[in-house]
Amino acid sequence: NAGVTQTPKFQVLKTGQSMTLQCAQDMNHNSMYWYRQDPGMGLRLIYYSASEGTTDKGEVPNGYNVSRLNKREFSLRLESAAPSQTSVYFCASSGLTGTGETQYFGPGTRLLVL
Amino acid sequence: TQLLEQSPQFLSIQEGENLTVYCNSSSVFSSLQWYRQEPGEGPVLLVTVVTGGEVKKLKRLTFQFGDARKDSSLHITAAQPGDTGLYLCAGADMRFGAGTRLTVKP
Repeated sequence: NAGVTQTPKFQVLKTGQSMTLQCAQDMNHNSMYWYRQDPGMGLRLIYYSASEGTTDKGEVPNGYNVSRLNKREFSLRLESAAPSQTSVYFCASSGLTGTGETQYFGPGTRLLVL
Repeated sequence: TQLLEQSPQFLSIQEGENLTVYCNSSSVFSSLQWYRQEPGEGPVLLVTVVTGGEVKKLKRLTFQFGDARKDSSLHITAAQPGDTGLYLCAGADMRFGAGTRLTVKP
């Protein structure tokens, strides 16, 4: 049981390049999320998916697209990377526990856009 | 959307000291979660509080949910270097505060 996995762990891009961040979970969760984390700003929600086949915008969706490929996988795409997208990206999935909805996070992808 | 304010932003203390960090909102929470994040890793859930006035204890950590469900606190007794990390609160809408970065010096 690997939980939430993310690839790649690190990436350096040039301005204008594109890339896709991959995320997979093996906990059979319906909901999945993409966050970015910048110094002093905590975690900000980019997009989320409440179930397979559905996606919704979060707080900071501009410059990103997502795909919920199936129940396990939720990818984040940067079509034309900008230096402002330099950040650490976390994927999470959530499921119901005895005390409510609980999120489980992946280890993160560190992205540098030059 | 609930805006969550956490204070203090940074806290540096000596091993053995006690501390309290806070999470506040102008809106009522239906539930609130506390996470700890260590360098290079994703956040890990510590606790979920749901009922106004609720107090939960997790070893040396005590979590309190305000009676009006607009604020919460995390108290650590006899802090240890292993408590070092970023402490985050999140509302039921899965939006996070900016966090309190705690450093416990040996």
